[in-house]
Amino acid sequence: EIVMTQSPGTLSVSPGEGATLSCRASQSVSSNLAWYQQKPGQPPRLLIYGASTRFAGVPARFSGSGSGTDFTLTISSLQSEDFAVYYCQQYDHWPVYTFGQGTKVEIK
Amino acid sequence: QVQLVQSGAEVKKPGSSLKVSCQTSGDTFSSYSITWVRQAPGQGLEWMGAIIPALDTPNYAQKFQDRVTITADESTRTAYMEVSSLTSEDTAVYYCARQWMGGSLGFWGQGTRVTVSS
Repeated sequence: EIVMTQSPGTLSVSPGEGATLSCRASQSVSSNLAWYQQKPGQPPRLLIYGASTRFAGVPARFSGSGSGTDFTLTISSLQSEDFAVYYCQQYDHWPVYTFGQGTKVEIK
Repeated sequence: QVQLVQSGAEVKKPGSSLKVSCQTSGDTFSSYSITWVRQAPGQGLEWMGAIIPALDTPNYAQKFQDRVTITADESTRTAYMEVSSLTSEDTAVYYCARQWMGGSLGFWGQGTRVTVSS
C-alpha cells in the first residue's frame, strides 16, 4: 500500500500571505494525485486533480504541481475562507487509493 | 448536478453491524465508482473501499477486507456500505463520494455520523 506523507502538520499563516503544502508518496504515483480542502463539520472538497488541474469553481489562487513522488499545493494569498485542513490523495495504485494525514492551515 | 445523500446518524452497540446508504442523482450512476471514506473524531481521512456499479466488483483497503461489504443497486442509484463486528474504534463519520477524473473524488455525501457505544 502506498503511504502518503504530508508536511508540515500545521502551517501558521497570516491572511494575505502565501502557503506551500507538501505531499510525498512512498512510490511513484505519476500525476494521479488530488488535493482536498476540509472545514470543520463539512465533507472534503476537491480542489486539484491530476496533480495540477483545478476542479470546477476552485479559485485561481490554488495551484498544484509535481509528479512521481513529490507534490505541492500552493495558495498564493490566503483568504479567511482558506483556513482549513488539506489532504492529498493518490489514485494511481488501484484498487486502494490512500490519503495523506493532512496539513492544517491556521491563522497566525 | 451530481448529489449524494446519505442515511442518518446511527448509534450502535459493540458487536453489532451497520449499514449506511448513499443515494445519488444528477448523472450516470453505473459508470462511475462510489468510494467510502471514514473519519474518526479529530483524525484524518481513511479510504475504505470502492465499487463501480456497472462492474459490481468492490475493492477494499486491506484493513477493512474482512469486515466491510460495499454494494450498489443500479435500480435505485444507491450504494451501501456495511460494517460488521463493530467496536468503539469504528466511531466515525462515514462519507460516500463519487469519482471525478481517475480516482479523484469530486462529489461527496454529507456524511453519516456513527457512534459505537455500550
